[in-house]
Amino acid sequence: DIVMTQSPDSLAVSLGERATINCKSSQSVLYSSNNNNYLAWYQQKPGQPPKLLIYWASTRESGVPDRFSGSGSGTDFTLTISSLQAEDVAVYYCQQYYNTPYTFGQGTKLEIK
Amino acid sequence: EVQLLESGGGLVQPGGSLRLSCAASGFTFSTYAMSWVRQAPGMGLEWVSSVSGSGGSTYYADSVKGRFTISRDNSRNTLSLQMNSLRAEDTAIYYCAKNWAGSSSCIDHWGQGTLVTVSS
Repeated sequence: DIVMTQSPDSLAVSLGERATINCKSSQSVLYSSNNNNYLAWYQQKPGQPPKLLIYWASTRESGVPDRFSGSGSGTDFTLTISSLQAEDVAVYYCQQYYNTPYTFGQGTKLEIK
Repeated sequence: EVQLLESGGGLVQPGGSLRLSCAASGFTFSTYAMSWVRQAPGMGLEWVSSVSGSGGSTYYADSVKGRFTISRDNSRNTLSLQMNSLRAEDTAIYYCAKNWAGSSSCIDHWGQGTLVTVSS
């Protein structure tokens, strides 16, 4: 199984500041035949289901604010929120969909400092 | 607008069975893979199972393999999860989810979830 490890487990950032969450996979999730990284980022607010933010490691889902961006390739990935807003308080998960089981990271809780 | 409405959750004794259903609307159901993802109370997300658009291919987490069966009825736009031999550790919110494309793709829409509690 591919193990997804996020860091940090929790993060407190001031409003308007940058937030960075890292995700590391135990093996590459880059599919060489199409050069796509099979990596997604989700946001989950309390009492709500997750919401897709980023897929193919760096493609922003329709309707997601452009302050959210994804980067990385192979085994190391980053979700960046360029200017934190109050509504961004949530738990963020990465997920690999390269092969089954489609594992998630343990989650990173983002709070306002 | 994509809508996914789960039903069938509830309280069941260890060793018991439960069948979850998900009514889908707002998209061409048979075109997309579908999945179940669960979340134990206060915990993270765990992928449970996926099924291809045709229903011909199914995939399971090791933790549920041999006990859970995913299926779909494309004529009724319905996804199901038959859960047998339930254990306390199966207690979770179960989310019905639409894949972005085929089975090896991210999840782009989630239902609100249905709570399954396994307890005597």
